[in-house]
Amino acid sequence: QKEVEQNSGPLSVPEGAIASLNCTYSDRGSQSFFWYRQYSGKSPELIMFIYSNGDKEDGRFTAQLNKASQYVSLLIRDSQPSDSATYLCAVRGGSYIPTFGRGTSLIVHP
Amino acid sequence: ETGVTQTPRHLVMGMTNKKSLKCEQHLGHNAMYWYKQSAKKPLELMFVYNFKEQTENNSVPSRFSPECPNSSHLFLHLHTLQPEDSALYLCASSREVAGAQETQYFGPGTRLLVL
Repeated sequence: QKEVEQNSGPLSVPEGAIASLNCTYSDRGSQSFFWYRQYSGKSPELIMFIYSNGDKEDGRFTAQLNKASQYVSLLIRDSQPSDSATYLCAVRGGSYIPTFGRGTSLIVHP
Repeated sequence: ETGVTQTPRHLVMGMTNKKSLKCEQHLGHNAMYWYKQSAKKPLELMFVYNFKEQTENNSVPSRFSPECPNSSHLFLHLHTLQPEDSALYLCASSREVAGAQETQYFGPGTRLLVL
């Protein structure tokens, strides 16, 4: 059973701080990793994907991948109240079907 | 807007009703998916279609019946559902099914309540 684990939270950070969201996965053959943001009552929206070890930056978002330790993280710099949402980690391996985590709820308070 | 639309957005049905959910994608993708999202649970994959052919049925009860008449449209036919089937049903699409770098784009979902 392929598993993707996320702390359900909520993770509460003050506005302007760095929010750090973590995800671990069980399948060592995993090849691609995705972060989705889901606002309450809305559908998931892709915000980042990463395939190679290391960091990938896109604006205020940085995805970090460490395949040896089987974790992927998402950093959100200068967090804003509009970043408050649930963040879903998805992992895709040899099977083409991605496995999703339960999501981490992030609250950015003014 | 992601280019994936779903109707209806909300649905209330009794256990003896028959209803259908519709998904349409305007992205020129060849793969389409149905997911179920329940509170406090990860997204659960239900069905996968690639070039109109079903390639995955993730042990879904037969009271859920998918239909994919072409690469742009996907339906989920519902009959004799149970209250525990109440959830958000999400449709997604991607260019292809295979390929580690394929990304999925989700529709807005149908919020289903079974009474």
